Amino acid sequence: QKEVEQNSGPLSVPEGAIASLNCTYSDRGSQSFFWYRQYSGKSPELIMSIYSNGDKEDGRFTAQLNKASQYVSLLIRDSQPSDSATYLCATLSGAGSYQLTFGKGTKLSVIP
Amino acid sequence: DTAVSQTPKYLVTQMGNDKSIKCEQNLGHDTMYWYKQDSKKFLKIMFSYNNKELIINETVPNRFSPKSPDKAHLNLHINSLELGDSAVYFCASSQAGGGSNEKLFFGSGTQLSVL
Repeated sequence: QKEVEQNSGPLSVPEGAIASLNCTYSDRGSQSFFWYRQYSGKSPELIMSIYSNGDKEDGRFTAQLNKASQYVSLLIRDSQPSDSATYLCATLSGAGSYQLTFGKGTKLSVIP
Repeated sequence: DTAVSQTPKYLVTQMGNDKSIKCEQNLGHDTMYWYKQDSKKFLKIMFSYNNKELIINETVPNRFSPKSPDKAHLNLHINSLELGDSAVYFCASSQAGGGSNEKLFFGSGTQLSVL
């Protein structure tokens, strides 16, 4: 059974701080990793993807991957109230897999 | 133009009824999906179709039947609705499915409430 674990939160950070969201996964065959953001009452939208060990930066967002530890994280620098949402971690196992496995999400609140 | 559109947005119905949710994508994608998100926000795949062919059928009661008349449409029909079916159902699509660059485009969701 493939599992993706996230702390459900809520995680509260003050505006301007760094928000750190963490995710672990059970399937060692996972090759692709994604972070989706979901605002309340809205659909998920992809904000970051990462495939290799290390860091990947995109604006205020940095995804970090450690396959040996089966761990992926998302850092949000200079957090803004508009970043308040639920962040879903997802993994894709191997080439030819059509199935994303999602974690239950971490709710982030950025306090002005 | 909405990339992935699903209707209706809200669906309130009685137990035992049969209902359908429609989904259409205008992105030219080959793969479409149905996901269910429960009250705890857990997003779980139900079905996946690639070029009208069923490729994923998770452990879902056979009261749920997907139908793909063409690769731009994937509808979900639910028979004999139960209280536990209450959830938000998301349709999604992706370019090729199975690639490492798996970006899902989600519809806006259908909030199903079974009374």
